[in-house]
Amino acid sequence: GAVVSQHPSWVICKSGTSVKIECRSLDFQATTMFWYRQFPKQSLMLMATSNEGSKATYEQGVEKDKFLINHASLTLSTLTVTSAHPEDSSFYICSARGEGGKSTDTQYFGPGTRLTVL
Amino acid sequence: AQTVTQSQPEMSVQEAETVTLSCTYDTSESNYYLFWYKQPPSRQMILVIRQEAYKQQNATENRFSVNFQKAAKSFSLKISDSQLGDTAMYFCAFNPSGSRLTFGEGTQLTVNP
Repeated sequence: GAVVSQHPSWVICKSGTSVKIECRSLDFQATTMFWYRQFPKQSLMLMATSNEGSKATYEQGVEKDKFLINHASLTLSTLTVTSAHPEDSSFYICSARGEGGKSTDTQYFGPGTRLTVL
Repeated sequence: AQTVTQSQPEMSVQEAETVTLSCTYDTSESNYYLFWYKQPPSRQMILVIRQEAYKQQNATENRFSVNFQKAAKSFSLKISDSQLGDTAMYFCAFNPSGSRLTFGEGTQLTVNP
């Protein structure tokens, strides 16, 4: 139980284009989803927290107009990197936290998306 | 502010032996959760073990167990009978109830044959 999928697993795009990453909770309802960024050999850096049906809460220093987050349903959140630039190249990971049992207090992670901007 | 410290950037252990990864945290909260996640080369974050702060009994999951010392704010992970598949980056994480995770910097564990 508590499976989170993420799509795509990797993407290469040209500078200036936008990229959308999907995060889905497959077997539970995710009332809260989180988006992280991870650089090589470093820990996870929280970018934003999204609650279903509400606007996302962004961490300090994260541009909300550049990293658009939508959490339209209890099983789907999307992160759109707009006007991507090479410095946006990174590994993006989502996680989900749901209702009931252990999933209320525990974040379950997707497999991550490697974004490369040329 | 809550902080999580993992003082061992890298560790190694021989297959079948036991290894302990350390983690300390700082908080003024009384109710919270602690986690160990592993991140193998695939980079998928996998939950290893979970501890609720109000429970005195240390959590165990098969070969994985924790030593939770609430007064000392310490939460170490013991891996028994280490296997090659245990090679991964291990992250300690702290979560006040209903809030977000704070991660440590990670410990890279290598299990040698």
